[in-house]
Amino acid sequence: GQQVMQIPQYQHVQEGEDFTTYCNSSTTLSNIQWYKQRPGGHPVFLIQLVKSGEVKKQKRLTFQFGEAKKNSSLHITATQTTDVGTYFCAGYSGYSTLTFGKGTMLLVSP
Amino acid sequence: KAGVTQTPRYLIKTRGQQVTLSCSPISGHRSVSWYQQTPGQGLQFLFEYFSETQRNKGNFPGRFSGRQFSNSRSEMNVSTLELGDSALYLCASSLGTTTYEQYFGPGTRLTVT
Repeated sequence: GQQVMQIPQYQHVQEGEDFTTYCNSSTTLSNIQWYKQRPGGHPVFLIQLVKSGEVKKQKRLTFQFGEAKKNSSLHITATQTTDVGTYFCAGYSGYSTLTFGKGTMLLVSP
Repeated sequence: KAGVTQTPRYLIKTRGQQVTLSCSPISGHRSVSWYQQTPGQGLQFLFEYFSETQRNKGNFPGRFSGRQFSNSRSEMNVSTLELGDSALYLCASSLGTTTYEQYFGPGTRLTVT
């Protein structure tokens, strides 16, 4: 079945440093979605990417969808303590359900 | 618009019992999906309902079941609870298929002792 791998599992940065999480799928994806879950909270939708090579920005967050539509990344520039949480990617191949990666937990020290 | 609501928020059950969890989607959303979240396994898909029909099912034993009512509200049931069923159960609603963004509820924290 479809598998979505996410790395790293965990990252601890100092406030102001950059952060990147990577997502790789075993199959070609129709779209990829990113979610953020704050500690003790529930996943909240951030963005969806659909087109090959697509790049979208939300303030300090930059999302990319690979040319082959099998990988994606989320980059945060100049992290802030409010960025703390677990970032999940979720891919839909069209043949199965939305499959979530296991997430990257981001800890930001002031 | 009100968000996705889930009841109860917390549950403690003993092994062998059964439990029913409830989810009310955002008004107008016809798709409801259920996920089990544990520290080791992450978010695992249980099932998805759309217009009262189960459209997709994850790789969980038959002890896990669900249904959706005509008003899109959904319930999931777990029978013969096992210790390993302790988890956060999240439901998510969306406008249609899983190509639409999913709105998650706060979850039900189930502890099986």
